Amino acid sequence: TAGITQAPTSQILAAGRSMTLRCTQDMRHNAMYWYRQDLGLGLRLIHYSNTAGTTGKGEVPDGYSVSRANTDDFPLTLASAVPSQTSVYFCASSGTTKGFYEQFFGPGTRLTVL
Amino acid sequence: AQKITQTQPGMFVQEKEAVTLDCTYDTSDQSYGLFWYKQPSSGEMIFLIYQGSYDEQNATEGRYSLNFQKARKSANLVISASQLGDSAMYFCAMRRTLVRDSNYQLIWGAGTKLIIKP
Repeated sequence: TAGITQAPTSQILAAGRSMTLRCTQDMRHNAMYWYRQDLGLGLRLIHYSNTAGTTGKGEVPDGYSVSRANTDDFPLTLASAVPSQTSVYFCASSGTTKGFYEQFFGPGTRLTVL
Repeated sequence: AQKITQTQPGMFVQEKEAVTLDCTYDTSDQSYGLFWYKQPSSGEMIFLIYQGSYDEQNATEGRYSLNFQKARKSANLVISASQLGDSAMYFCAMRRTLVRDSNYQLIWGAGTKLIIKP
């Protein structure tokens, strides 16, 4: 079972360029999330989606946008990248397998903005 | 405001010893859940253990147990008989229920880096 896949694995991006981080899940989970992970700060929620067709802002949404056209895909777009967006980005989905809502994570995308 | 605090940025523990990783939380929700995740150097996030706020018993999963003290708002992770493979970052997280959204967001602590010494 693939679970959650993310692409690319890593990327170096020039400041001012746009980029879309891809995320696909095959677990048919309704809820999906994008986090960024920075040293010493843990995981911070960028955007989330409760179900296909809906999205919401998390803790640090500025400079990022998302869409949720279907259940499986939840792409994250940086319209004009800045160096402060250098981070590791994790996509996650939420579902119940053990009687509680567990979040399942993709392998992450390491993004460097120069 | 809801918050998770992990006060130990890093810990060194001798192999085979037990280790306790601290986690305190702040919430006014009556219903919440607490999670621990492990992140090895390879980067993936691995779910370890969950405790619901209404659960009477402390959660256990193999060598992992969660010392849940509701009145003190603490949810410490205990790893028994530590192994070299336990070296990793450990994150405590709290699920909150947003009644309006019902999307079960997680609030994360900053993590503890655990290093097991041979």
